[in-house]
Amino acid sequence: GIQVEQSPPDLILQEGANSTLRCNFSDSVNNLQWFHQNPWGQLINLFYIPSGTKQNGRLSATTVATERYSLLYISSSQTTDSGVYFCAVESSNTGKLIFGQGTTLQVKP
Amino acid sequence: GAVVSQHPSRVICKSGTSVKIECRSLDFQATTMFWYRQFPKQSLMLMATSNEGSKATYEQGVEKDKFLINHASLTLSTLTVTSAHPEDSSFYICSAIRTGTVNTEAFFGQGTRLTVV
Repeated sequence: GIQVEQSPPDLILQEGANSTLRCNFSDSVNNLQWFHQNPWGQLINLFYIPSGTKQNGRLSATTVATERYSLLYISSSQTTDSGVYFCAVESSNTGKLIFGQGTTLQVKP
Repeated sequence: GAVVSQHPSRVICKSGTSVKIECRSLDFQATTMFWYRQFPKQSLMLMATSNEGSKATYEQGVEKDKFLINHASLTLSTLTVTSAHPEDSSFYICSAIRTGTVNTEAFFGQGTRLTVV
């Protein structure tokens, strides 16, 4: 099956810093999503981005489908950005999402 | 965005009892819903695909007799953990995708934290 690798596994930032999270996948995909899991476990949809670039406030994402990777950019980080960021892909037209292992982000004041 | 509601958010049950978890799509129809499980400090693992009006399909290694799934309407799927044991304690989370669109964006419920004592 398709493999999804996220890096780095852990990231500590000072408030105000920028960061880039990476997601590599081993096969072509028809869906790629980025999520933020908050401390209560809720998965917040950040981007639905099987290809191209999108921006939403301080967050943006780029997926280069031909090279099988996606990047999530966080600018001017805030303490509320802390949590786990997951990349998930779907390759089988079944709707099944395969998750990466996540990046745990801690933003310090 | 679309809203998926999961209930209960937290449940504690005694070993040997059964627990039912509901997943509802509030503002869209979902022919297909999915159930995931997450252990502490780990990623989400797909357990099963819930299909409206038909049997669920389970991922390899998931016991279908322990995790009963029913998808009786286009807005509701239920997961019943039968004869629960402490090793079933986990975070269970459902997702749904809109029926009838090419956009397969998944929306997740709030999750259910199950503790079996």
